[in-house]
Amino acid sequence: EAGVVQSPRYKIIEKKQPVAFWCNPISGHNTLYWYRQNLGQGPELLIRYENEEAVDDSQLPKDRFSAERLKGVDSTLKIQPAELGDSAVYLCASSLDQGTQYFGPGTRLLVL
Amino acid sequence: SQQGEEDPQALSIQEGENATMNCSYKTSINNLQWYRQNSGRGLVHLILIRSNEREKHSGRLRVTLDTSKKSSSLLITASRAADTASYFCATNRYTNAGKSTFGDGTTLTVKP
Repeated sequence: EAGVVQSPRYKIIEKKQPVAFWCNPISGHNTLYWYRQNLGQGPELLIRYENEEAVDDSQLPKDRFSAERLKGVDSTLKIQPAELGDSAVYLCASSLDQGTQYFGPGTRLLVL
Repeated sequence: SQQGEEDPQALSIQEGENATMNCSYKTSINNLQWYRQNSGRGLVHLILIRSNEREKHSGRLRVTLDTSKKSSSLLITASRAADTASYFCATNRYTNAGKSTFGDGTTLTVKP
């Protein structure tokens, strides 16, 4: 069974540019999570979806970040415009209901 | 702020020795989970312990939970070089049970 797929794996952009990350969860998993992980720190939840509904987006900086999960499967996370402080690893995870979370390999973003 | 805090931040041992990592948290929890993250990879779920449990085992892993002290420990016995990774604890509260709050991790190095 395929795990959580994320793309791209790496992204380098200049500040003020837009960037988008894509996540394909494990088939059948209705809950999807986006985390940001800064160097030397643990993941921090940005947004959690149950099916297509965002049920927890309290940590998402809504002035520049947006996310969507069309049809309750794949999801995209967008930053526009990116800032230097957005450099981090963006992790996607999925679970069945609120069970064990399975993480993708992450997208490493560097903003110059 | 993170709910869980791991101690020590870094740990270096010889192959065959045991490794113990601790996690402290601030508020009452529903369950606590331990994850492993190899360099440049996503997190892998290791073990979940519920608030009414005191100890769980999985292979060479032993997790304890002391809710009176709001702390947990992860013991890896007979460590191997392949155990080199960062280890994170994550807590889930009764309210907003789908949200896991991660600590900043312990970096374990096992020398061959």
